[in-house]
Amino acid sequence: QVTLKESGPALVKPTQTLTLTCTFSGFSFNTSGVRVNWIRQPPGKALEWLGRIDWDGDKHYTTSLQTRLTISRDTSKSQVVLTMTDMDPMDTATYYCARNLITDGSFDYWGQGTLVTVSS
Amino acid sequence: EIVLTQSPATLSASPGEKVTLSCRASEAISDTYLAWYQQKPGQAPRLLIYGASTRATGTPPRFSGRGSGTEFTLTISSLQAEDFAVYYCQQYYNWHSFGQGTKVETK
Repeated sequence: QVTLKESGPALVKPTQTLTLTCTFSGFSFNTSGVRVNWIRQPPGKALEWLGRIDWDGDKHYTTSLQTRLTISRDTSKSQVVLTMTDMDPMDTATYYCARNLITDGSFDYWGQGTLVTVSS
Repeated sequence: EIVLTQSPATLSASPGEKVTLSCRASEAISDTYLAWYQQKPGQAPRLLIYGASTRATGTPPRFSGRGSGTEFTLTISSLQAEDFAVYYCQQYYNWHSFGQGTKVETK
């Protein structure tokens, strides 16, 4: 059974750095073709893909945020970490991690999401 | 960046009705790189359709997707109570982008 779960702070202050962790089970980075993505959704708004890390360690980020984003992984712990610097109230959103496979770009499994509010 | 425009923004319908949701892309995408998701309040999106027309595991057959080029649709043949939700399309032909969503609400 594939599961993903996000964890991290619910509240961060403007200019601070956000660190979120995605802990997953039911698959591993040892499997060729596995990708773990980060996607966010501001309250009442649409989804936005942030970036991903692949089974082979390759990383990709959305162009608009690439200077602020870092995605890393701890394969032994089945975790993927998202770091976003210089947080702004506009970054208030529910942050999801989601899996896809190299065979298809759709996201077949999602975490429950974690709401991050940026406020002083 | 490929922009996806969904219409209508809100669709009011009754249980048992057939409804069709539209997703238009700003440039042509391969029909194998379009997905549809259902999202209910407080929940993560759930994959319904990938490859424009392939139902994901667990998706009821009343959901069908079709389209090509820049025009794609999701049809629910007979709305059930559990289908009232927001639906998003997603393209993965050129990285990833999502439409702004269509809310299906009770008439």
